[in-house]
Amino acid sequence: AQTVTQSQPEMSVQEAETVTLSCTYDTSESNYYLFWYKQPPSRQMILVIRQEAYKQQNATENRFSVNFQKAAKSFSLKISDSQLGDTAMYFCAFMKSLQGAQKLVFGQGTRLTINP
Amino acid sequence: GAVVSQHPSRVICKSGTSVKIECRSLDFQATTMFWYRQFPKKSLMLMATSNEGSKATYEQGVEKDKFLINHASLTLSTLTVTSAHPEDSSFYICSARDFRGRAGELFFGEGSRLTVL
Repeated sequence: AQTVTQSQPEMSVQEAETVTLSCTYDTSESNYYLFWYKQPPSRQMILVIRQEAYKQQNATENRFSVNFQKAAKSFSLKISDSQLGDTAMYFCAFMKSLQGAQKLVFGQGTRLTINP
Repeated sequence: GAVVSQHPSRVICKSGTSVKIECRSLDFQATTMFWYRQFPKKSLMLMATSNEGSKATYEQGVEKDKFLINHASLTLSTLTVTSAHPEDSSFYICSARDFRGRAGELFFGEGSRLTVL
C-alpha cells in the first residue's frame, strides 16, 4: 500500500518569505501522480500543483513550485513571496495511476501560517 | 475549474437518526465520486468510491451498512449515515473527477460537518 508522510505538523513564516513544505512517499509503482492540495479555513480542498512521476521537470504554478526527487521519493512544495491568503492546511497526496478508481492517498497535513 | 457542491454544509442530529449528505457536480458529469472523512486537525481518509449506476466500493474498515452510498445519476451521489451515533460526528467531504480537465485532477466539495448529539 502507498503511504504519504508529511513530517512538519505546523510551520509559520512572515509574509513575503519563502517556505518549503516536505513530503515523502512510499510506493512500488513506477508511474504515478503527486499533488499538493490546500485546505483554507473555509475547508474546501483546492489543488495547488500536480506532478506526473514520468516527468523529470519540476512542476511550477506561479509562486508555487515543487522539488520532485523520484529516487528519494520526495516531493516538497516551495511557496515563494508568501501571502496572507496562503495560510491553510496543506496536504500532499499520491495517486497510483489514471486507470481504475484513481484514489488519492493523503499525508497528515502541514498547517501553514503566514504572519503579517 | 469544475464545481462540486455539497449539501448540507452543517447538520446536527440526534443519536439514532439517519442523515443524508448530497454531493453534486454542477457543471460536469461524474461517473465516479469519492467520499472522505476528516477528523479535526487530521487528514482525509477515503471511505468509499461511488460509481454511477453500480454499487459503491468501500475501503477496508468502513461499514457499508452504516454509510450508505447511492450514485443514481451522473451529477449526484449521496451518503447516508444510518443510525448515527456521536462517534460518527465528523467532517465529510466528497470529490469528483472531471474528465474534461487535466488527467487525475479531482474537484472537492465544500464539506459537510455532521454533529450527532
